[in-house]
Amino acid sequence: KAGVTQTPRYLIKTRGQQVTLSCSPISGHRSVSWYQQTPGQGLQFLFEYFSETQRNKGNFPGRFSGRQFSNSRSEMNVSTLELGDSALYLCASSLRFSGQETQYFGPGTRLLVL
Amino acid sequence: EDKVVQSPLSLVVHEGDTVTLNCSYEVTNFRSLLWYKQEKKAPTFLFMLTSSGIEKKSGRLSSILDKKELSSILNITATQTGDSAIYLCASKGGARGSQGNLIFGKGTKLSVKP
Repeated sequence: KAGVTQTPRYLIKTRGQQVTLSCSPISGHRSVSWYQQTPGQGLQFLFEYFSETQRNKGNFPGRFSGRQFSNSRSEMNVSTLELGDSALYLCASSLRFSGQETQYFGPGTRLLVL
Repeated sequence: EDKVVQSPLSLVVHEGDTVTLNCSYEVTNFRSLLWYKQEKKAPTFLFMLTSSGIEKKSGRLSSILDKKELSSILNITATQTGDSAIYLCASKGGARGSQGNLIFGKGTKLSVKP
């Protein structure tokens, strides 16, 4: 069974631009969660989607948004990029909701904002 | 505010040593506590502990949840250089009726010297 895949793996953008990251969960998994990982703050929860609906949202500004499609694939969008948005963005999938069962992480997208 | 605190932040040991990593949590309506291992890539799931499963063991790794002390430990016996990684602890809570967020600690960086 293929694991969680994320595209692109690396990305360089400049301040003010926007970016869209993609995540394909493990086949059959319906929950997708997004996290931001930085050296200073560690892993921080962004949001979780289940059956195309956002079920939870972390403490991030409205510039961070996401969606989930009927095939459970998810996208995350960051608008008006800031230098502080440079981070590793991780996506994780589980059969149902995170924290109730094993959650599998993708390899991440490393975003650099110049 | 919900939080997860791990200690120590870093640890250097020699092969064969036994180590204990600590995690304390303060989350609303606690549901589960999870341990992950992160090497140079995405976190990989180790254990999930809940009220109905407070002790888990897999090979040289074991973990215990202390609901009274709001804490958990991860033990690694007979450490090997391949155990070198960042160990992440996460806890899930949240308001009743919601799915809650996974809140991560900042991790313990373990280095095992030959």
